[in-house]
Amino acid sequence: DAKTTQPNSMESNEEEPVHLPCNHSTISGTDYIHWYRQLPSQGPEYVIHGLTSNVNNRMASLAIAEDRKSSTLILHRATLRDAAVYYCILRDVGGYGGATNKLIFGTGTLLAVQP
Amino acid sequence: GAGVSQSPRYKVAKRGQDVALRCDPISGHVSLFWYQQALGQGPEFLTYFQNEAQLDKSGLPSDRFFAERPEGSVSTLKIQRTQQEDSAVYLCASSWGTSGVETQYFGPGTRLLVL
Repeated sequence: DAKTTQPNSMESNEEEPVHLPCNHSTISGTDYIHWYRQLPSQGPEYVIHGLTSNVNNRMASLAIAEDRKSSTLILHRATLRDAAVYYCILRDVGGYGGATNKLIFGTGTLLAVQP
Repeated sequence: GAGVSQSPRYKVAKRGQDVALRCDPISGHVSLFWYQQALGQGPEFLTYFQNEAQLDKSGLPSDRFFAERPEGSVSTLKIQRTQQEDSAVYLCASSWGTSGVETQYFGPGTRLLVL
C-alpha cells in the first residue's frame, strides 16, 4: 500500500474551521483515500473516504487534489470533541478481498482544539 | 445497534502467563481484524478473518500469538508466554463485506500490561 505523510500535530480554536493535510504522492489509480480518527482511549472511527471527487458528510469534507497526490480533511467548525488523532489511509481495492482489506495506519495528526 | 465489543477492557499479566482477548463483532459482519497499538503509535495489523477462515496472519509478531474465529462470529486472540514487549492496546474491528472499501468498525480495545 502507498504511504501517506501528515503533520505530527496541529492546533485549532473552537468554532473555527480546521484543514488537515495529507500527502500521498505515490497513490495508484485504485487507491481510495480514507480518513479515520481516534479519540482518547477509544478505537479508531471512520470519518470519510473518497476516490477522485470531493466528498461531504455530516462529520467533515474531503477535498482531493486534481492529481490525487494530496488531500485535505476539513472540519467546518471544530469542537472540543474533535480533539483526536486523525489518520489518512490509502486502501487499494484493485485486488481481491482478504489481505488488501487491512488498514495501514501511520502516526497521524494529533489535533488539539482550544476553547 | 450494538457496536464491536471487547473483553476484558484491561488485563495485567505476569511475564510468562497466557492471556486470551475476546472480540464480539457487529452481528452479520463477515470480516474481522485484529490490530496492535503501542503507546504513541498508530494501530498495526495483526490478522484478518473472512467468516471463520483466517486469510491473513502476516502481522502476527511471533508464534506465541494465535487467533481463531471458529464459528465466524466471536474471535479470540491468544498470546502465550507473554513478554513485556507485548504490552499494548489490542483492537478488534469488523466490517460487513470484503471488497476493501467498507468501513471498519472498531471496538474500544483491550489494554494489556505485562509486568
